[in-house]
Amino acid sequence: KAGVTQTPRYLIKTRGQQVTLSCSPISGHRSVSWYQQTPGQGLQFLFEYFSETQRNKGNFPGRFSGRQFSNSRSEMNVSTLELGDSALYLCASSLQVNEQFFGPGTRLTVL
Amino acid sequence: AQSVAQPEDQVNVAEGNPLTVKCTYSVSGNPYLFWYVQYPNRGLQFLLKYITGDNLVKGSYGFEAEFNKSQTSFHLKKPSALVSDSALYFCAVRDELTGGGNKLTFGTGTQLKVEL
Repeated sequence: KAGVTQTPRYLIKTRGQQVTLSCSPISGHRSVSWYQQTPGQGLQFLFEYFSETQRNKGNFPGRFSGRQFSNSRSEMNVSTLELGDSALYLCASSLQVNEQFFGPGTRLTVL
Repeated sequence: AQSVAQPEDQVNVAEGNPLTVKCTYSVSGNPYLFWYVQYPNRGLQFLLKYITGDNLVKGSYGFEAEFNKSQTSFHLKKPSALVSDSALYFCAVRDELTGGGNKLTFGTGTQLKVEL
């Protein structure tokens, strides 16, 4: 069974631009969560989608948004990028609560 | 609000010796606790979880963790460390009162270094 895939793996953007990251969950998993990992703030929860609906949301500004499609694939978007948005963005999928499988992440660098 | 503390930024241990990586938590309801490991430039790999039941949980790669409700701790242990265990370890908690979702709160991580 294929694991969680995230595209692209690496991304370089400049301040003010926007970016879209993609996550394909494990087949059959309906929950997708997103996390941001930075050296300073560690791992922080962004949001979770389940059956195309946002189920949980972390404490991030409105520049961070996401969505989930009917095939459970998810995208997250960051608008008006700031230097502090440079991070590893991790996606996790889940078939049931309390069992998440993480993808390799997308490394975003904002210049 | 839920929180997790990993008091040690780094733990050094000799290969073959037992290892312990510490974790304490704070939640409003019953805790669901997890350990993940991260190798350089990789995502998180699940090691083990405590949901309910036996306080000693056994996981992948010979790791185990002990849930202690009175001390609100969930320390990760392994009887005999391997050099290949060297990685970044994260403890995480989900509060049952957060609803039906998968929101995890992570600790700051502990870098484990196993030396020959």
